[in-house]
Amino acid sequence: ETGVTQSPTHLIKTRGQQVTLRCSSQSGHNTVSWYQQALGQGPQFIFQYYREEENGRGNFPPRFSGLQFPNYSSELNVNALELDDSALYLCASSLKGREFEQYFGPGTRLTVT
Amino acid sequence: LAKTTQPISMDSYEGQEVNITCSHNNIATNDYITWYQQFPSQGPRFIIQGYKTKVTNEVASLFIPADRKSSTLSLPRVSLSDTAVYYCLVGEALTSGTYKYIFGTGTRLKVLA
Repeated sequence: ETGVTQSPTHLIKTRGQQVTLRCSSQSGHNTVSWYQQALGQGPQFIFQYYREEENGRGNFPPRFSGLQFPNYSSELNVNALELDDSALYLCASSLKGREFEQYFGPGTRLTVT
Repeated sequence: LAKTTQPISMDSYEGQEVNITCSHNNIATNDYITWYQQFPSQGPRFIIQGYKTKVTNEVASLFIPADRKSSTLSLPRVSLSDTAVYYCLVGEALTSGTYKYIFGTGTRLKVLA
């Protein structure tokens, strides 16, 4: 069984730029969620995707967008980066019907300068 | 969506039972409670999930009183490797079929020899 993987591991961007983060779900999982975790804080829910459609969203602005592909892999896109976007971005996959049992990847550490 | 409150930190000794309580006063009917463990530089790891009463698995127990305004994660006979941050998560299944999740701020458990 393959776990959740994310790429890249680390990323440095400049304010105003755009970034794309990638996630491969655990094998057999059809739902993917993205979280932002600032240093010393709990993860904050960004959104969830199921069947390639957004299936729930937290309090994040529209410049945070996502995609889910037919193979259940996913992307998180952030436009017009701000300094406060610096954080660990976590991807989690789950099975439909067991959305609360999520399996997390190791995260992508994004630094915005 | 229910806001969660947890103790910031706890210390325990090896072999002791540890109980971590999460308060979620505004929990709604469709909300579920899940607990996660997170080590430094890793994504959270699913521990246990419940809706009400008591749930037990091979690593922990979860106690949820009838009013569901709090939940207690119980870790039996902790070891040094249980030193981590523990988060409670309240997940809401909305009537629209979408989902939202809110993590607590986490409890930093330190197990001492």
